Amino acid sequence: GQNIDQPTEMTATEGAIVQINCTYQTSGFNGLFWYQQHAGEAPTFLSYNVLDGLEEKGRFSSFLSRSKGYSYLLLKELQMKDSASYLCACVDSNYQLIWGAGTKLIIKP
Amino acid sequence: GAVVSQHPSRVICKSGTSVKIECRSLDFQATTMFWYRQFPKQSLMLMATSNEGSKATYEQGVEKDKFLINHASLTLSTLTVTSAHPEDSSFYICSASPQAGGYNEQFFGPGTRLTVL
Repeated sequence: GQNIDQPTEMTATEGAIVQINCTYQTSGFNGLFWYQQHAGEAPTFLSYNVLDGLEEKGRFSSFLSRSKGYSYLLLKELQMKDSASYLCACVDSNYQLIWGAGTKLIIKP
Repeated sequence: GAVVSQHPSRVICKSGTSVKIECRSLDFQATTMFWYRQFPKQSLMLMATSNEGSKATYEQGVEKDKFLINHASLTLSTLTVTSAHPEDSSFYICSASPQAGGYNEQFFGPGTRLTVL
């Protein structure tokens, strides 16, 4: 079956760095997305990785290792507004988007 | 660019009534639109995928006669929850993609919170 695993909840301190991991098992692979979702709002796009390596975009970076079925989202210089759920989603061989359950990130002052 | 709107943002209805939710792509043509449902503290659950001018493809376990989807134009898709019941109360989110086939980023609408009394 297809499976996306990410931690349910993480806590970090304002100004610090946090890494949210995502492991996946899918039938085929055509890329991995990270989305941010604030409570009661729709997800917003953060990143898309299809090749191995690190993609940096401002305070956020996303890493992919296809051989390991692993990705992480790295958030630097954390701000209170970064408190949200972070969703990992993979595109399978049928170009279907398989969603993880999301990681709730709590930022403390 | 790539803005998707949903209307209404919130709706409260009585059990047994039908509710229509609209999803519009404002600045691009959406060949494919997706409808998701999200229960509290859970991830998105894809309900159906619709391509303009054709019937929607429903995910397993989603009743197509209860959740009617119409994708009549390249900028508008509607989801009608028929004979709504309290268990249908949820956060409904649409997303739109500019192309069919292959994969493109999905642009999400702001969501509609449905409460069925």
